[in-house]
Amino acid sequence: GAVVSQHPSWVICKSGTSVKIECRSLDFQATTMFWYRQFPKQSLMLMATSNEGSKATYEQGVEKDKFLINHASLTLSTLTVTSAHPEDSSFYICSARDPRGVSTDTQYFGPGTRLTVL
Amino acid sequence: GENVEQHPSTLSVQEGDSAVIKCTYSDSASNYFPWYKQELGKGPQLIIDIRSNVGEKKDQRIAVTLNKTAKHFSLHITETQPEDSAVYFCAASPGGYQKVTFGTGTKLQVIP
Repeated sequence: GAVVSQHPSWVICKSGTSVKIECRSLDFQATTMFWYRQFPKQSLMLMATSNEGSKATYEQGVEKDKFLINHASLTLSTLTVTSAHPEDSSFYICSARDPRGVSTDTQYFGPGTRLTVL
Repeated sequence: GENVEQHPSTLSVQEGDSAVIKCTYSDSASNYFPWYKQELGKGPQLIIDIRSNVGEKKDQRIAVTLNKTAKHFSLHITETQPEDSAVYFCAASPGGYQKVTFGTGTKLQVIP
């Protein structure tokens, strides 16, 4: 299957600072990527859909100015958590659809990034 | 919007036994139903998926069934092994580039 990577795998930052998380599709080009947030022992909640060359589409309740998404190329999307606070601590996971092959519905997930805000 | 319910939330089975996880969905427009396995501290991994024009799909020890009329689908794992222990998520989507909605997850523990 398709491979999606994330960097960093974990990050610890001080409250008030900004953190950037990268999501890359390694062996395919992804016009659309997705960003999810997952709290401990909970399900994945879609935050936004990242579209290459255009603005991201945010889910209801997700602050656009706090979670900045940039999809500058067909293989890279970034999520920047601005002015992070302890309540932003979570597991952030990206996914991408592989346009090759039979199924374009399938989402392939990255390994996730654990963010801890002190 | 779509609402996906998943049961049970936790499931313990003896090694070699079968495990069944059930999900229901609300949106009749959904026609794509993937299942993901998530190990601790890792991203979800697709293990099997099914579309609404198919009632059942198998891949070795894993099978998924779909009842579109009743809006429910199930994951069946046979001959469970300790490495099957993980959290399993069902999901539903209308397909294409539309949103995928996840269930609440089932923590499966396979006891050696």
